[in-house]
Amino acid sequence: DGGITQSPKYLFRKEGQNVTLSCEQNLNHDAMYWYRQDPGQGLRLIYYSQIVNDFQKGDIAEGYSVSREKKESFPLTVTSAQKNPTAFYLCASNTQDGLRGPQHFGDGTRLSIL
Amino acid sequence: KQEVTQIPAALSVPEGENLVLNCSFTDSAIYNLQWFRQDPGKGLTSLLLIQSSQREQTSGRLNASLDKSSGRSTLYIAASQPGDSATYLCAVISGTYKYIFGTGTRLKVLA
Repeated sequence: DGGITQSPKYLFRKEGQNVTLSCEQNLNHDAMYWYRQDPGQGLRLIYYSQIVNDFQKGDIAEGYSVSREKKESFPLTVTSAQKNPTAFYLCASNTQDGLRGPQHFGDGTRLSIL
Repeated sequence: KQEVTQIPAALSVPEGENLVLNCSFTDSAIYNLQWFRQDPGKGLTSLLLIQSSQREQTSGRLNASLDKSSGRSTLYIAASQPGDSATYLCAVISGTYKYIFGTGTRLKVLA
């Protein structure tokens, strides 16, 4: 079955540590997205990529970094510069222009500070 | 700047009731609108996608309508069941090919 796999499901970060969240899709989608979800708030876009080796900042990119070396993979690194990283992180994918079909989501990674 | 609002934030109804969830957006220049369901601690599941040229979409007990000129969409759930309890989010996609999400309506259907 096609879908999006996020790992790990739970992640704990120590002060000053960088952590990387994995996102893999086998839907043959060109576009991939990372969102952050906080309680009582909607999803906020961190980064998105419409094609391999290219990505753009979303609304809250500070303290985060991404790479897109393969079509299937879009890992997100939460750096030590992100002072409030505790949140639920969701990865999504779609066709390149996002217009022809629904956006698909993984099951999320919950990140907490130790 | 596009903003998406969902009212009410939370809703409790008895089983069997028909109900309507509302979504409004400030910029009518959208390409499509999507309704999602989110269960606690899970990702989002797509329910219905309405293209800008369409007025409504139906799937089973769900019907979503779109009125671009007034910046509104509604999700109608017929004969609600306890299994429908979840948070429902709407999102619009416009010129920058990015989805803008509402904050969701948390629905509880009481048995």
